[in-house]
Amino acid sequence: DGGITQSPKYLFRKEGQNVTLSCEQNLNHDAMYWYRQDPGQGLRLIYYSQIVNDFQKGDIAEGYSVSREKKESFPLTVTSAQKNPTAFYLCASSITGGDYNEQFFGPGTRLTVL
Amino acid sequence: QKEVEQNSGPLSVPEGAIASLNCTYSDRGSQSFFWYRQYSGKSPELIMSIYSNGDKEDGRFTAQLNKASQYVSLLIRDSQPSDSATYLCAVKRARDAGGTSYGKLTFGQGTILTVHP
Repeated sequence: DGGITQSPKYLFRKEGQNVTLSCEQNLNHDAMYWYRQDPGQGLRLIYYSQIVNDFQKGDIAEGYSVSREKKESFPLTVTSAQKNPTAFYLCASSITGGDYNEQFFGPGTRLTVL
Repeated sequence: QKEVEQNSGPLSVPEGAIASLNCTYSDRGSQSFFWYRQYSGKSPELIMSIYSNGDKEDGRFTAQLNKASQYVSLLIRDSQPSDSATYLCAVKRARDAGGTSYGKLTFGQGTILTVHP
């Protein structure tokens, strides 16, 4: 059963803590992405990776970090430098090499800063 | 001007009517266009992709693309209460300035659709 999994579903963080959100896919997709969604708004790109051991900053990378050590996994760390981290975080994946690569999303992680 | 702009909504239609969702984009280099449906508290689900001018139909959904006018729309025929959701328009360039292809999508802010019985 192919798909994208994210964990945890809900995450609570204290001020000053780093937290790591997990994203795993078994779709054999090369590209993976992290987005952030705030209430009533569209999605904004945080980081993306087209291949293992390579990743690029998106539009709002400040305060976040990622790694891509395996094709299946693209964890996102929300650091204490992120000023307003409370949001819905979405991981997506797609094929690469074409012009029309559709992105598919995981179920998301809702992060709340206490 | 926002890169991708959707009609502000919320949009309310009676059951059985046609719901029309609109999206304009500013980047003429955009080549791929997507409509996602997002139920409250859930992640976006891809429902339509369109790449060429004209109409593309899939069941009750029709996507319409007009690149000259930089306009893409989604029509939902015979709307059902289960269609009530936020609909997100997303746009992708075929190539970035360096000539490489990557999957960056730019999203609109979404339109909330309510279908009432």
